[in-house]
Parts: sequence; C-alpha cells; structure tokens
Amino acid sequence: KAGVTQTPRYLIKTRGQQVTLSCSPISGHRSVSWYQQTPGQGLQFLFEYFSETQRNKGNFPGRFSGRQFSNSRSEMNVSTLELGDSALYLCASSSEGPSTGELFFGEGSRLTVL
Amino acid sequence: SQKIEQNSEALNIQEGKTATLTCNYTNYSPAYLQWYRQDPGRGPVFLLLIRENEKEKRKERLKVTFDTTLKQSLFHITASQPADSATYLCALGGDSNYQLIWGAGTKLIIKP
Repeated sequence: KAGVTQTPRYLIKTRGQQVTLSCSPISGHRSVSWYQQTPGQGLQFLFEYFSETQRNKGNFPGRFSGRQFSNSRSEMNVSTLELGDSALYLCASSSEGPSTGELFFGEGSRLTVL
Repeated sequence: SQKIEQNSEALNIQEGKTATLTCNYTNYSPAYLQWYRQDPGRGPVFLLLIRENEKEKRKERLKVTFDTTLKQSLFHITASQPADSATYLCALGGDSNYQLIWGAGTKLIIKP
C-alpha cells in the first residue's frame, strides 16, 4: 500500500509570492490533516478535511487555505508569503480522522521564504 | 489554554539502558495519547496509542504509561540502541474537534 505522498519536497519562494502544496493520502483514507512544523516547535495544526469538507481549522491567518478533492487528495495554499512561513509542512492521513487513532504522515514539503 | 510539555533538552542515554521520556499536559482531559518518532527531515511515524482507561501499553521494547491524575505519560525504550536516536513526540486527542494537540518533542541520543 503506497504511503502518503507530498509534493514538492522542497521549494524556495520570495516574500509576497504564493505557494500550493499537494498531498495524496493513503488509498481509502478520507481524512487529511495539515501541520506546520518549525524548529523547536510542536506540530501546529492548520486544518483537517474529511470527504471534501473542512471539519476544523487552526489559529492561522486567512492567508493559509486548503481544499480536498473527491479522490481525497488535498492541497494547501499560502498567499502573500512572509519570512515566518518558512517551515516544514506536513500532511497526515487517516481513515476517519485525527481523533480516532493513528495518523500516517508524508515526508513533508520544506518551504523556504527569502 | 491547553498545554503539553516534553523534556526540552536532549536526553543522552548509554546504549543498553532504558530511556524514559516524559509528556505532561494541563488544561485538557484527553481520551487518548499517542507517541510518534520523527527522524531529521522526515515525517513523524506512529509508535503507540494509549487510552484514558489504560494504565500501560507495550510493544516490543516500547512501553507507555498514562496517568490521568498526574496528567502525565511516560514513554520507555528498554535495551536502547543507537538506532533509537530520534525526536519523540507526544500528542493528545479524543474529543470531537478533529485535531491532536502536540508537544514540541524530546530529542533522544543513544550513545554506543
């Protein structure tokens, strides 16, 4: 069974640009969660989607948005990038959602904002 | 607000000894707690889940305890090996808000 796939793995952007990250969950999983991880910080929850519906959203500005498609693939978008957005963005999938058990993570997309 | 604390400093353990990592939480009543391992530049990997009505859970060399009175979980690795060196994250969850609350992680270094 293929794992969670995130693309791109690495990217460099400049301030003010926007970026789109993609996540393909494990086949059959309907829940996709997104997290931001910076050095020394725990995973900061961005949002969670289940069957194309956003069920919860973390405390991030509106520049951070996401969506989920009918095949459960998910994308997140960050507009008007700031230096502080440099981080590892992780996607996790599960069959029913984060509250029900194990999450399967992708390798992450490392974003550098210059 | 909800808060999770893990050992902020790296934990250095001699190979063969038992490593014990701590996860303390406040202002939260989780239904369960999870432990993950994360290697540099990689995504976290699930290790163990323990529910509020379970005192202890084991998997091979790993053992987790969960004390809801002390609001603490202990994660043990027995007969530790250099390959166990990684950052270990704890996460709490179980209500209906579809998210986990994560600790910042503890870096474990097993010395040969």
